[in-house]
Amino acid sequence: AQSVTQPDIHITVSEGASLELRCNYSYGATPYLFWYVQSPGQGLQLLLKYFSGDTLVQGIKGFEAEFKRSQSSFNLRKPSVHWSDAAEYFCAVAPGDTDKLIFGTGTRLQVFP
Amino acid sequence: DAGVIQSPRHEVTEMGQEVTLRCKPISGHNSLFWYRQTMMRGLELLIYFNNNVPIDDSGMPEDRFSAKMPNASFSTLKIQPSEPRDSAVYFCASSSANVLTFGAGSRLTVL
Repeated sequence: AQSVTQPDIHITVSEGASLELRCNYSYGATPYLFWYVQSPGQGLQLLLKYFSGDTLVQGIKGFEAEFKRSQSSFNLRKPSVHWSDAAEYFCAVAPGDTDKLIFGTGTRLQVFP
Repeated sequence: DAGVIQSPRHEVTEMGQEVTLRCKPISGHNSLFWYRQTMMRGLELLIYFNNNVPIDDSGMPEDRFSAKMPNASFSTLKIQPSEPRDSAVYFCASSSANVLTFGAGSRLTVL
């Protein structure tokens, strides 16, 4: 069965610092991979997705993620974090033949001024 | 595009009462999902529909939960009778081309 692991429950960074959120997946083939962001009291918003092709994908709000097949990882990065990036971030995986998403447990990002 | 619309946004009810949550997906999206989010269990997929047909309801907790999608523009998630452990945020999402768009959620509190 597919699964997603986000090993960091809570991360704190200073505004302007770089950010990397980790995500590992378990799946026999190359899945579809996603990062979503959830602000307090809001629904989930898609940041970026990987289906195939270039393993470095660009998303909204200056985020990017890199698919590494050898490590079964899809880490999210941002070179300079803004205070408005404070939120919860979810990595998700879906088999290629279905829209059914399996989510990780999320990483809560706190940004200090 | 108004996005995925859920109602009510907040519901407070007493144990034993029936709760109905509603969802209007994005027009043209052919799949619809119901998720539940709690602190303890995170985001759980309850059920999903494709072309109005339930495809996978393995995440539905028990017989107290039921979901319907009578047409392409409307779905309901019903809990009868409700229990305090059902307190959570329930999200509806619809998808096109393997990308899910989420509604703002319905926060349910069962006293």
